[in-house]
Amino acid sequence: EAGVVQSPRYKIIEKKQPVAFWCNPISGHNTLYWYLQNLGQGPELLIRYENEEAVDDSQLPKDRFSAERLKGVDSTLKIQPAELGDSAVYLCASSLEGVDTQYFGPGTRLTVL
Amino acid sequence: AQKITQTQPGMFVQEKEAVTLDCTYDTSDPSYGLFWYKQPSSGEMIFLIYQGSYDQQNATEGRYSLNFQKARKSANLVISASQLGDSAMYFCAMREGDGNNRLAFGKGNQVVVIP
Repeated sequence: EAGVVQSPRYKIIEKKQPVAFWCNPISGHNTLYWYLQNLGQGPELLIRYENEEAVDDSQLPKDRFSAERLKGVDSTLKIQPAELGDSAVYLCASSLEGVDTQYFGPGTRLTVL
Repeated sequence: AQKITQTQPGMFVQEKEAVTLDCTYDTSDPSYGLFWYKQPSSGEMIFLIYQGSYDQQNATEGRYSLNFQKARKSANLVISASQLGDSAMYFCAMREGDGNNRLAFGKGNQVVVIP
């Protein structure tokens, strides 16, 4: 069974540029999560989807971050415009409905110059 | 207040020996779940083990076991017979309440296994 797929693995951009990350969850997993992981820290939740509905986006900085999961499968996280402080690893995870365990992808390491 | 506390400094462990990673948590919710994840240098978070607050027995998964002490709000991970591939960051995480899948992570413990 394929795991959570994320792309790109690495991205380097200049500040004020837009950037987008893509995630494809494990097949059949209806819940999808985007996490932010700063250096030396544990991941922090940005947004959680149940199918195509964002059910927890209280931690998403909505002035510059947006996310979508239009068909309830894959998802895109966007930052526009990027700031230096956005340099971090962006992790995507998925889980089955009613099951606690979340399975993570390899992450996208973003560097903003 | 921090939900998950992991305060051990980086650890060096001899291959084939056991290592215990400390995790304490803070919650007033009677229903919660505790997780341990491994993050090697490649960056992926790998699920290791889960303990529910109502589980009577300590969870075990192969070489991983969770020493769950509810009264002390402690959920330490024990890795037996360490292998070189166990070198990684280890994160403890908690899910509070039912139907709320938000995980709160600690800052992690660095483990280096030496031959």
